[in-house]
Amino acid sequence: GESVGLHLPTLSVQEGDNSIINCAYSNSASDYFIWYKQESGKGPQFIIDIRSNMDKRQGQRVTVLLNKTVKHLSLQIAATQPGDSAVYFCAENGGTSYGKLTFGQGTILTVHP
Amino acid sequence: DVKVTQSSRYLVKRTGEKVFLECVQDMDHENMFWYRQDPGLGLRLIYFSYDVKMKEKGDIPEGYSVSREKKERFSLILESASTNQTSMYLCASSSPQGEGLDEQFFGPGTRLTVL
Repeated sequence: GESVGLHLPTLSVQEGDNSIINCAYSNSASDYFIWYKQESGKGPQFIIDIRSNMDKRQGQRVTVLLNKTVKHLSLQIAATQPGDSAVYFCAENGGTSYGKLTFGQGTILTVHP
Repeated sequence: DVKVTQSSRYLVKRTGEKVFLECVQDMDHENMFWYRQDPGLGLRLIYFSYDVKMKEKGDIPEGYSVSREKKERFSLILESASTNQTSMYLCASSSPQGEGLDEQFFGPGTRLTVL
């Protein structure tokens, strides 16, 4: 998994498998978290977000889990497809104003057909 | 459809040149941000602006300045480009939604090479 401030991990999965990407955050004041996907040569794109008053949120094929006790966030992708291959970033707001986000360094997801 | 555009996808400049990177958003967003992205370091915030003519330093402002004369436009300026400013530059915008909901919308990035 990734942690805001550390190395860039990688995850390789087979097409159709479920993927889990992890993120540890350090700022206990954070009350909003986002997952972004960045494909090669493109800017990050929003996937899903979650507020700190929730511990789970589901989207289309994606689920974000938040564990505030251990300051951990995960992104689950169901039935992973080759088009899901990208770098995935988590971001937290640090409880700040003006919409500032602090990004993790990302996880490279590679999906093999 | 929301859109953030950046003036160039690729840019090559020489050491010491003054470089302008332009960002325009069409969503009437109050907040705008400039990041640089380097391998293994993720996205690092250079400057941000929460209103016209307002600016705040991010985590790595040294060697950069910004300008926000109009709400839709946020410019990043490298006063005297150096080779260590070779990077991918990403612009983003967001609008305060209250309760900490601050999704940022990103442009496609400008890959700057300083020779």
